Amino acid sequence: ETGVTQTPRHLVMGMTNKKSLKCEQHLGHNAMYWYKQSAKKPLELMFVYNFKEQTENNSVPSRFSPECPNSSHLFLHLHTLQPEDSALYLCASSQGPRMTEAFFGQGTRLTVV
Amino acid sequence: GQQLNQSPQSMFIQEGEDVSMNCTSSSIFNTWLWYKQDPGEGPVLLIALYKAGELTSNGRLTAQFGITRKDSFLNISASIPSDVGIYFCAGQLGGGSNYKLTFGKGTLLTVNP
Repeated sequence: ETGVTQTPRHLVMGMTNKKSLKCEQHLGHNAMYWYKQSAKKPLELMFVYNFKEQTENNSVPSRFSPECPNSSHLFLHLHTLQPEDSALYLCASSQGPRMTEAFFGQGTRLTVV
Repeated sequence: GQQLNQSPQSMFIQEGEDVSMNCTSSSIFNTWLWYKQDPGEGPVLLIALYKAGELTSNGRLTAQFGITRKDSFLNISASIPSDVGIYFCAGQLGGGSNYKLTFGKGTLLTVNP
């Protein structure tokens, strides 16, 4: 238990569906991140939020829409995804944008059919 | 962008053997990190290295920050079955907006009892 909880753990969605991934951290951190982990590829940083403000969008397609209502919660809204978007989506948090001390959630395994 | 070459891609060893894996980069980093990811879990930080030449241990794990700042290695001594997982290296340049982590593709470790 890392103090970062992601739901759901698994998600299968069609290309026309709209779904959301949720991340909650109980560590009192003020920075939160979304990463994408695909097979045989390095972890890819998608978004960074610091004190609820988005500070990084790593050229992510608009079909991925993040939301950070407060420092403890982070969402990733998904719509009209493609099969190549199937991956493990990892949320992480840290005290300040110092990723070296980030804690990761267990991830959401997403399959787009 | 920066890339890390992590090797080997996979290892199959017998319980009790020592393991060594490494990461190299064409550019320097000021921080090197080693993570482990168990099946179905998110990455967990094992060791962080902040100074060139630094040698740091965490139980049976030892990691070194290469003197050129372009490489790092991780050793696991006397492996046990629970060492199974994917080990990732990550580098961080640090300073200003250079806080993003660059990850290697991982080394899959299998330990035969």
